[in-house]
Amino acid sequence: DTGVSQNPRHKITKRGQNVTFRCDPISEHNRLYWYRQTLGQGPEFLTYFQNEAQLEKSRLLSDRFSAERPKGSFSTLEIQRTEQGDSAMYLCASRELTANTEAFFGQGTRLTVV
Amino acid sequence: DQQVKQNSPSLSVQEGRISILNCDYTNSMFDYFLWYKKYPAEGPTFLISISSIKDKNEDGRFTVFLNKSAKHLSLHIVPSQPGDSAVYFCAASRRGTGTASKLTFGTGTRLQVTL
Repeated sequence: DTGVSQNPRHKITKRGQNVTFRCDPISEHNRLYWYRQTLGQGPEFLTYFQNEAQLEKSRLLSDRFSAERPKGSFSTLEIQRTEQGDSAMYLCASRELTANTEAFFGQGTRLTVV
Repeated sequence: DQQVKQNSPSLSVQEGRISILNCDYTNSMFDYFLWYKKYPAEGPTFLISISSIKDKNEDGRFTVFLNKSAKHLSLHIVPSQPGDSAVYFCAASRRGTGTASKLTFGTGTRLQVTL
């Protein structure tokens, strides 16, 4: 297992189009997180899964955003009707269920909306 | 509302000297703190963490200090090496059963280690 994998690495899309990103976490990790990072800021929490259950969503996650984690394995993040303000790095992280363990991040998907 | 603050956007240190990166937090519910290192176009890489029951944690050249009364933590890197040049993010979370243990990040400090 080589760690958290995200695809694609880069995505350029026209405003109004839909995009979908994929995250494959470390296989034994129950918890999966999506974060978004814009220029000059730290990553901001979007949503969290424990196994297949989506347990928390940030208010940053508008109705145009949806995330799934079928069967508790990989996860997808879809953005509908993209806007220029959606341009950011989308990061996925996973960690074990036990308390004091760190989250491991993927390399991210850089989204540019033109 | 910035719950985790890194007030120094950048820091330049000579190779071999100590680098000290600072972080302040406002939420007293945070009980676990982490430092991540990030290179351009890559995801953050975990560096070191500390639980609120401790005031110091050391791992090789990296030491994290936590001052709970001041709601302040710092990362010391000694000796600094050119490969340490990166953006360093401080992050905090609230652990425990029933919590998401999501991370709240600061805005980062860009460290440059010069020869």
